Amino acid sequence: NAGVTQTPKFQVLKTGQSMTLQCAQDMNHEYMSWYRQDPGMGLRLIHYSVGAGITDQGEVPNGYNVSRSTTEDFPLRLLSAAPSQTSVYFCASSPRAQGRAFFGQGTRLTVV
Amino acid sequence: EDQVTQSPEALRLQEGESSSLNCSYTVSGLRGLFWYRQDPGKGPEFLFTLYSAGEEKEKERLKATLTKKESFLHITAPKPEDSATYLCAVKGGGTGTASKLTFGTGTRLQVTL
Repeated sequence: NAGVTQTPKFQVLKTGQSMTLQCAQDMNHEYMSWYRQDPGMGLRLIHYSVGAGITDQGEVPNGYNVSRSTTEDFPLRLLSAAPSQTSVYFCASSPRAQGRAFFGQGTRLTVV
Repeated sequence: EDQVTQSPEALRLQEGESSSLNCSYTVSGLRGLFWYRQDPGKGPEFLFTLYSAGEEKEKERLKATLTKKESFLHITAPKPEDSATYLCAVKGGGTGTASKLTFGTGTRLQVTL
């Protein structure tokens, strides 16, 4: 059972470039979310989804887009990368609203 | 707005030296308090969920407790392999927050021989 899989693990982007961080889960979880983790700030919610076709903004959504066309996949798109988006990104899924979250291994993104 | 504060920021223990990590929280309608362990370069790994004041959960050398304002993660006779960052998070009952966890900044634990 793979759980939550994120790709790539590492990425370097130039300012202004766009890219998509991939996230897939094989547990048939309804809820999926994206967090970023920065030193001294803890994990902050970017976007989340309560099911296929339904997404909503979290705490720090600016500069990011998401979509959820299937239960399994929840990609995060950076529209025009900025140095402030240098961070470690984690995707998580959970079976229900109050359930425990399962996290992926993270994507370390550097924007230069 | 839900808030979580963890203390201390960092803790260094000798093997066998028991201690506690603190997680203070404010939340609108607690739907769950979660403890996670995070190793360097890895994603958070689930440890415990607590739902109501007075609840306790145990796993090996770890025991989590919950009051109406804080949670403690007690570590009994720690070993070097317990070295990690321990994260506390809460899930509140506010509208539009069905899947929102609010995290603290973590306690970085180092256990030495």
